[in-house]
Amino acid sequence: GEDVEQSLFLSVREGDSSVINCTYTDSSSTYLYWYKQEPGAGLQLLTYIFSNMDMKQDQRLTVLLNKKDKHLSLRIADTQTGDSAIYFCAETYNQGGKLIFGQGTELSVKP
Amino acid sequence: DAGITQSPRHKVTETGTPVTLRCHQTENHRYMYWYRQDPGHGLRLIHYSYGVKDTDKGEVSDGYSVSRSKTEDFLLTLESATSSQTSVYFCATGTSGLNEQFFGPGTRLTVL
Repeated sequence: GEDVEQSLFLSVREGDSSVINCTYTDSSSTYLYWYKQEPGAGLQLLTYIFSNMDMKQDQRLTVLLNKKDKHLSLRIADTQTGDSAIYFCAETYNQGGKLIFGQGTELSVKP
Repeated sequence: DAGITQSPRHKVTETGTPVTLRCHQTENHRYMYWYRQDPGHGLRLIHYSYGVKDTDKGEVSDGYSVSRSKTEDFLLTLESATSSQTSVYFCATGTSGLNEQFFGPGTRLTVL
């Protein structure tokens, strides 16, 4: 069935780049998403990519999509302590606006 | 922010009791969702609604029911709470098109 996989933890130093990876299974997904969850809060959409794109850049964020390998990545340049959060990859599923989320990657940024 | 509130924000209850969680939205979004979040599992869809009185099951619906009598309210009921239902519950709303979902602040439920 549909599945989205992410590694659970990533630790980086402030100022370095962070790369969070995700693999998905449903090649018919129209959009793929990155959501951010700060401690004690709900998820917020961080960025998304349309499935016919290979790359999308938005300020410090770069999303890369490899459809052949069903691999999605999120790169955060010049990572700051405020970027510490859990990042979820998600793909659209079937209809009704449903999303399938990965397990989330907890990003820890050390000063 | 889509103006989504959840109540209660925290609840402790005992095994076997019924529990109802409420989600309220002010954005007139068509779709509403209930998820649970557990360590190592990410978010898992419990039930969702695509309109008033139109609901369907998600991947972990056993032991849960929902109702949506008005666009703005989506209720999640645990018919007889069990310790395995201890979790953080998130409500979300969405629209068609981009399928962006907007999340509430969550309800932490503990079943003793």
